[in-house]
Amino acid sequence: GENVEQHPSTLSVQEGDSAVIKCTYSDSASNYFPWYKQELGKRPQLIIDIRSNVGEKKDQRIAVTLNKTAKHFSLHITETQPEDSAVYFCAANFGNEKLTFGTGTRLTIIP
Amino acid sequence: KAGVTQTPRYLIKTRGQQVTLSCSPISGHRSVSWYQQTPGQGLQFLFEYFSETQRNKGNFPGRFSGRQFSNSRSEMNVSTLELGDSALYLCASSLGSGVQPQHFGDGTRLSIL
Repeated sequence: GENVEQHPSTLSVQEGDSAVIKCTYSDSASNYFPWYKQELGKRPQLIIDIRSNVGEKKDQRIAVTLNKTAKHFSLHITETQPEDSAVYFCAANFGNEKLTFGTGTRLTIIP
Repeated sequence: KAGVTQTPRYLIKTRGQQVTLSCSPISGHRSVSWYQQTPGQGLQFLFEYFSETQRNKGNFPGRFSGRQFSNSRSEMNVSTLELGDSALYLCASSLGSGVQPQHFGDGTRLSIL
């Protein structure tokens, strides 16, 4: 079936430390993996994405790694700041535009 | 460039009624996807429209339907509303050719009494 598993469901990190969120997907044909950040009461915002022909992608303090063989991908946030506190969702495509989302990780940055 | 616009932002209905939600995509985007977000089920895919045609469909009952107009604006309709339909309904638009980044609107919060 079309399934994306995301771990952990909650994560608390000291300000300045790194945070890692992991996802696995079920369909080896998936080739697009976006990450979204959703602050309380706001829309999900695309923060980074990766395609299957790339193993790693970085954007300032955020990076995503992809292991196609193992069918898992991870979000890494370094030097965390209070404004990083939010719910983060991973997703994978199952046929073109159809995205299946993970269940979300509530990240709390402790000052 | 204006973002994805959803109307209305909030809606209160009673069981058995029907509702229509609207989504205007980012200018130039031809694909519109709809999602239901609830605390228990997370973000679930409803359907996706491209060039006025439903291209993908999720696992929701036939009470949930949609359409897309020639200007790419999309509407979603839910008939015979049930208490469990209370949720945040989000739409997202993308260019639509191949797999493209999707950008979300603020959503319509639907409450069923």
